[in-house]
Amino acid sequence: QSALTQPASVSGSPGQSITISCTGTSSDVGSYNYVSWYQQHPGKAPKLMIYNVSNRPSGVSNRFSGSKSGNTASLTISGLQAEDEADYYCSSYTDSSTVVFGGGTKLTVL
Amino acid sequence: QVQLVESGGGVVQPGRSLRLSCVASGFTFSSYAMQWVRQAPGRGLEWVAVISYDAGGQYYVDSVKGRFTISRDNSKNTVFLQINSLRPDDTGVYYCAKGGDDFWNLDYWGQGTLVTVSS
Repeated sequence: QSALTQPASVSGSPGQSITISCTGTSSDVGSYNYVSWYQQHPGKAPKLMIYNVSNRPSGVSNRFSGSKSGNTASLTISGLQAEDEADYYCSSYTDSSTVVFGGGTKLTVL
Repeated sequence: QVQLVESGGGVVQPGRSLRLSCVASGFTFSSYAMQWVRQAPGRGLEWVAVISYDAGGQYYVDSVKGRFTISRDNSKNTVFLQINSLRPDDTGVYYCAKGGDDFWNLDYWGQGTLVTVSS
């Protein structure tokens, strides 16, 4: 149950697009289309942004999109806005019937 | 609207026990899996445990097996986390979260309760 691997930080200017990667193994990301992405602002609870690789919950902006290839999932945010500055976490279902999170990525909007 | 309200956190000495509670409202509690996620100060999220909608199944992260127990009372819309033999590295905010139609998608979260393990 090792944590999924995410870059520690990414940055972009308003209006640009950024992508955050999330690398797992054949025991989690690689075997299931069950990757989720969460946004967490400082001092707040996480918020579900993407589920099952590429689905957006109701109310989440269509600027957020997800994809997966092999053992790596990705979150793309287009048209960056100041309010997107936050920590982002991926998670995946595992073959132990558990959930594993990534280490988190801090997004800075320049 | 969905609400999850945790309680039971506090400052506790190493080796002691604590029971966290999470009261849910705004959805049919007995139809969804519930789980706990924790976050050490300044660190990332760590999934802790899940309990099925009918308490028929529980799963834990390896690091807490044997010390943590997740349970639920569907008559009271409440999920619990019993933590025994507390250690300093159990310190952090503990979040209660609702599973979606697939339990691994945590679609609603509580505000968290802080557990501090210190002598």
